[in-house]
Amino acid sequence: AQSVTQPDIHITVSEGASLELRCNYSYGATPYLFWYVQSPGQGLQLLLKYFSGDTLVQGIKGFEAEFKRSQSSFNLRKPSVHWSDAAEYFCAVGGGAAGNKLTFGGGTRVLVKP
Amino acid sequence: KAGVTQTPRYLIKTRGQQVTLSCSPISGHRSVSWYQQTPGQGLQFLFEYFSETQRNKGNFPGRFSGRQFSNSRSEMNVSTLELGDSALYLCASSLATYEQFFGPGTRLTVL
Repeated sequence: AQSVTQPDIHITVSEGASLELRCNYSYGATPYLFWYVQSPGQGLQLLLKYFSGDTLVQGIKGFEAEFKRSQSSFNLRKPSVHWSDAAEYFCAVGGGAAGNKLTFGGGTRVLVKP
Repeated sequence: KAGVTQTPRYLIKTRGQQVTLSCSPISGHRSVSWYQQTPGQGLQFLFEYFSETQRNKGNFPGRFSGRQFSNSRSEMNVSTLELGDSALYLCASSLATYEQFFGPGTRLTVL
């Protein structure tokens, strides 16, 4: 069965500092991987996706993620965090036989200190 | 293009009632998926509809059902509401497969 683990429930980072959010997945086939962001009371916004090809993918809002098959990881990074990046971030896996069924991690809440 | 819209945005019901939530996908998108989000269970997949047919289903009881119309709009119904059904219900649409766009959600409170 597919699963996604986000080991960090909360992360606090200073504005201007770098950010890395961890994501590990378990999936029987070639995974399609996603990062979504959710602001309070809102839906999910797609930050970036990985289907195949270059393992370093660029997304919106200055985010990037690196797919490492050997480590079953898809970590999200941002070089310099802005106060507006405070939100909850979700990693998800889908694809293959699961089609559009996404399995989400538990989420990481990011707090940004001024 | 307009995004995914969900109505109503907020809903309060009492135990035992039933509720219907609506989702209008992005124009041209034929796949609509539904997810339930709760603090305890996180984001869980309910079901997906594609061209009016249920294509995939999560592990929810039969009280949860859905349908899709010929214009790709989708409805989700929950019968005999329980307190544990209180959640944010998210709808997502997709052009073909894999890349999904989410609506703002419907916040359901069951009293």
